[in-house]
Amino acid sequence: GENVEQHPSTLSVQEGDSAVIKCTYSDSASNYFPWYKQELGKRPQLIIDIRSNVGEKKDQRIAVTLNKTAKHFSLHITETQPEDSAVYFCAASIVTGTALIFGKGTTLSVSS
Amino acid sequence: KAGVTQTPRYLIKTRGQQVTLSCSPISGHRSVSWYQQTPGQGLQFLFEYFSETQRNKGNFPGRFSGRQFSNSRSEMNVSTLELGDSALYLCASSLVTGYSPLHFGNGTRLTVT
Repeated sequence: GENVEQHPSTLSVQEGDSAVIKCTYSDSASNYFPWYKQELGKRPQLIIDIRSNVGEKKDQRIAVTLNKTAKHFSLHITETQPEDSAVYFCAASIVTGTALIFGKGTTLSVSS
Repeated sequence: KAGVTQTPRYLIKTRGQQVTLSCSPISGHRSVSWYQQTPGQGLQFLFEYFSETQRNKGNFPGRFSGRQFSNSRSEMNVSTLELGDSALYLCASSLVTGYSPLHFGNGTRLTVT
């Protein structure tokens, strides 16, 4: 079955710096790659997603890139702010359903 | 529109007992999936239901089961509870299946003693 690995497990940056989180997946049939943000004590929330027919997608300060050949995808956050501090999860799925296989998460800390 | 509602929010059970958790999806959402969240393992997929049919199942023992009703509400059951079942159980709903964002509930915190 699908396996998703996520690095790093923790990431500390200064406010205004960029943050990059990387994930690799094992199943070449995976074709949907969402990213979720989970603030302390709250539910995970989708922040951006990408389909396998797209190489890059941007939404303001957040971007996701996908390399299907290498089977990896990355989350890029520019101009980080303290409110970006949270746990970020990448996920992959084969779109026959909504079964997401998640990475183990990255705890991002943005200090001002 | 009301979000995904999970009940109860907290549960404390003893080893060997069984438990049933409930999830009401966002109105109009037909797909419901369940995840177990623990500090060590992160978010692990349990199962997914669409139109009352189980579409996918994760790598969990048969003690974990679920179902979906005609109104899309879902329940999951864990029998013969073990200490390792202590976790946050998250339910998520989506409008349709595939490419639809998951909307998570606040979860049920299960503690097994």
